[in-house]
Amino acid sequence: EVQLVQSGAEVKKPGESLRISCMGSGYIFTSYWISWVRQMPGKGLEWMGRIDPSDSSTNYSPSFQGHVTISADKSISTAYLQWNSLKASDTAMYFCARNRDGAGEYWGRGTLVTVSS
Amino acid sequence: DIVMTQTPLSLSVTPGQPASISCKSSQSLLLSDGRTYLYWYLQKPGQPPQLLIYQVSNRFSGVPERFSGSGSGADFTLKISRVEAEDVGVYYCVQSIQLPQTFGGGTKVEIK
Repeated sequence: EVQLVQSGAEVKKPGESLRISCMGSGYIFTSYWISWVRQMPGKGLEWMGRIDPSDSSTNYSPSFQGHVTISADKSISTAYLQWNSLKASDTAMYFCARNRDGAGEYWGRGTLVTVSS
Repeated sequence: DIVMTQTPLSLSVTPGQPASISCKSSQSLLLSDGRTYLYWYLQKPGQPPQLLIYQVSNRFSGVPERFSGSGSGADFTLKISRVEAEDVGVYYCVQSIQLPQTFGGGTKVEIK
């Protein structure tokens, strides 16, 4: 069974750093891209970027480029989404998804990030 | 970026009745490989999105037959033949022909 298990909810202050994770199981992790998708409270879905775990090549949405970093450690089948300096506007639910032909096929349950002073 | 426009914004449906959601893209989603990169998702309350339809009209594994997708080029439709209570949530179309991948604004479906 394909599963994407995401790390738990986080509460951070503005300016702090954070890395959340997404561990894949039940399939060959390096065979599928992983995307990250943001959902702000009460809002729709926004694609942030993706990574190819086989070689860690990445693509980012211009809306998120430079503010987040997507990485992966294929030895432990885990993808990451990282911020160096959080803002209150980063408060959102973040989903990872295994891609097939560019679209999310299997999704993690999400990680809620709350940034508040 | 490709703009995805969904209508209506919301839909209230009597159980057993049909429902239809439209999705229009700002450019064709047909690639030279012959495939059209349009997908439909349902996000039930408190859950992650779940894939319903891939490449316009193919039901994903386990998706009931009452869900069907159609369309071509830049004009697409998701139909539910007979809405059930478990179909409530927000439906999204998304394109993956061009980065960044873009989602429609969503259509909220509720039961009367």
